[in-house]
Amino acid sequence: AQKITQTQPGMFVQEKEAVTLDCTYDTSDPSYGLFWYKQPSSGEMIFLIYQGSYDQQNATEGRYSLNFQKARKSANLVISASQLGDSAMYFCAMREGDYGQNFVFGPGTRLSVLP
Amino acid sequence: DGGITQSPKYLFRKEGQNVTLSCEQNLNHDAMYWYRQDPGQGLRLIYYSQIVNDFQKGDIAEGYSVSREKKESFPLTVTSAQKNPTAFYLCASSIGPGHKEAFFGQGTRLTVV
Repeated sequence: AQKITQTQPGMFVQEKEAVTLDCTYDTSDPSYGLFWYKQPSSGEMIFLIYQGSYDQQNATEGRYSLNFQKARKSANLVISASQLGDSAMYFCAMREGDYGQNFVFGPGTRLSVLP
Repeated sequence: DGGITQSPKYLFRKEGQNVTLSCEQNLNHDAMYWYRQDPGQGLRLIYYSQIVNDFQKGDIAEGYSVSREKKESFPLTVTSAQKNPTAFYLCASSIGPGHKEAFFGQGTRLTVV
């Protein structure tokens, strides 16, 4: 079974608009961390935001926020005021367990920001 | 500056040859990882290492080998047993156990010719 599901292969958003990228996860471990990464066409993976399973509040980092719904096992990324430079692949990832030995990545969503 | 350096950026391999991809980090991270990415797809874990002289197989370890003789270095060898090695390879590191984020290198694009 897929641990991380991203159901949107591609998304379009108008510049300056907000966009939500979906991520659902599957784990039976009560302790886990959720991450979002951005991959521009250059290939590097850029860390955006982190949410811990025990965190009471949704994480925010500048224009990025994470809509964490624990009961639904979803961790959607919200990008506010989209910019042309936001066009990239976006990956949701998870680390399970207190010792979180490795990361599991979803298939990604390609975001295109339109001028 | 601290970071992760992968080399080379592009690598070409003839069929039947072994090649080694370099990954060096100066972040003093205990954990290091190798991922493979195929076009339009997510990352798949090849190997990971939590401490020096120890490493574990990931989901797609067949045809690959690694070593972790130094904390800073985690080279990946793509052997001739790997039948479809053409892909983008990403190395990452993190502080260690727990839920800290991983930091990635720039990647190596391997092509079999």
